[in-house]
Amino acid sequence: SQTIHQWPATLVQPVGSPLSLECTVEGTSNPNLYWYRQAAGRGLQLLFYSVGIGQISSEVPQNLSASRPQDRQFILSSKKLLLSDSGFYLCAGGQEEKLFFGSGTQLSVL
Amino acid sequence: AQSVTQLGSHVSVSEGALVLLRCNYSSSVPPYLFWYVQYPNQGLQLLLKYTTGATLVKGINGFEAEFKKSETSFHLTKPSAHMSDAAEYFCACHYNQGGKLIFGQGTELSVKP
Repeated sequence: SQTIHQWPATLVQPVGSPLSLECTVEGTSNPNLYWYRQAAGRGLQLLFYSVGIGQISSEVPQNLSASRPQDRQFILSSKKLLLSDSGFYLCAGGQEEKLFFGSGTQLSVL
Repeated sequence: AQSVTQLGSHVSVSEGALVLLRCNYSSSVPPYLFWYVQYPNQGLQLLLKYTTGATLVKGINGFEAEFKKSETSFHLTKPSAHMSDAAEYFCACHYNQGGKLIFGQGTELSVKP
C-alpha cells in the first residue's frame, strides 16, 4: 500500500532562517505529489503540485519553493522564513482516485 | 480556473437531524470527488469518493453523497446526526487533466444535544 513519510512532525524556526521539509513516497511510482498549508481554523491551501520529476506547479505567490529531485521525493523549502509561514504543512500523493497523505508538519516561526 | 466551493464554513444541527454539507466544483470534465473528515488534532480520514458509475455514493459512518453533473455538485448528507459527527469536513476534487488536487475551504459541523 502507498505510504507517505513526512518529517519532522513539529518544527520551531526563527524568522529569517531557512526551511526544508521532506516528503517521501513508498508503494507507488510516478504519483502526483502535493504540498498544502492549513492555517489555524482554515482549510487546506494548495501550495505546489508535481506530476513528475522536476515538474513543479505553484498555486500561490509566496516565500516558499518546492522541488522534486526524484520520483518519490518532494521537498518544500524557503531561504528565509517569515512569521506568516507558520502553519500546518501537509504532503499528499495520488494517482487518479487513489490519494494518500502524510502526517503533517506543524511549523512555528518565531 | 478549477475550484471547489463549500457553502457555509459553520453548520450546526441538532442530534438526530439531517446533515447537509454542500460542495460545488468548477470543471468542464467531471473530476474525482472526495469527502474527508478531520477531527481535532487528527489527520484527514476519507469518508467517501466518487469516480465513475453510480452517482449516489455511500461512505463510512452513515454518510452519503450524490454526484450531480448538471449542478456540478457533490453534497454530503447523513439522515440523522450523532454527537460524534462534530468535526471539520472537506470536499476535494482531483482533476485528471493536469493532476491538480484541490480542497474546499472546509465546513465545521457542530451537533447540539
